[in-house]
Amino acid sequence: ETGVTQTPRHLVMGMTNKKSLKCEQHLGHNAMYWYKQSAKKPLELMFVYNFKEQTENNSVPSRFSPECPNSSHLFLHLHTLQPEDSALYLCASSQALAGGSTDTQYFGPGTRLTVL
Amino acid sequence: AQRVTQPEKLLSVFKGAPVELKCNYSYSGSPELFWYVQYSRQRLQLLLRHISRESIKGFTADLNKGETSFHLKKPFAQEEDSAMYYCALSGHGYNKLIFGAGTRLAVHP
Repeated sequence: ETGVTQTPRHLVMGMTNKKSLKCEQHLGHNAMYWYKQSAKKPLELMFVYNFKEQTENNSVPSRFSPECPNSSHLFLHLHTLQPEDSALYLCASSQALAGGSTDTQYFGPGTRLTVL
Repeated sequence: AQRVTQPEKLLSVFKGAPVELKCNYSYSGSPELFWYVQYSRQRLQLLLRHISRESIKGFTADLNKGETSFHLKKPFAQEEDSAMYYCALSGHGYNKLIFGAGTRLAVHP
C-alpha cells in the first residue's frame, strides 16, 4: 500500500486498558507527526519526529507515549486514558528540510478512538 | 504566539458563485501558509501553499502580510468543491503546522 497507513482504523478502549496506534509511511520521508482531531478543537499537533528523534512534544499528557523505531514507523502508546481523549488521531509524514521551507505533509486516514 | 483564525465554520454558496474562505494568522517571523482540504470520506490533503503561487482546482490564495491574511478564493464554485478547508501556518524552517479550526464549504446546485 502506498502513502501513509494507520491501524487500527477504529478502537474502543476502557480507561484501564493499554493499546497502541500504528502509523507507517511508504513515501521515503524522514519526519513523522501525530495530530489529535476532536469535535471541539482545531487539529492539534501532538508530537514531531525528525530522523527518528522527537523534536516536538506539544505539552501532551504522559498517558500518550510515542515511539519511532525507524523513519517509516510511528507508534502512539496509550494507557490510562480519559473519556475526553476520544478523538480522531491522525498521523502524517513529510520530508524534513534543513533550514528551508516546510515541506508538504501527507496524512493517514486516522484512527477513531473511543474511550469508555 | 502562533495562531490561525478561520472565522467562518460554514460557508454555503450556490454553484457558480464566487467563494472566499477567510484565514488570518498571528506570527512574528516569516510565515509559510498552507491550505489543506478534506473531502467527504477522504484524508486530509494539501490544496496549495503560498510559496508555490499556484492555482489548484481553480483556487488561489495570496499572502497579505500587512493584513496577516491568506484568504482562499475561487471565482466560480463547483459542487465538487464541497469539503472541509483548513488554513495552516508554519514558522519558516520548522517542521510543524498550526491549523485553524476549519471552514466547511457547502456548494449547492
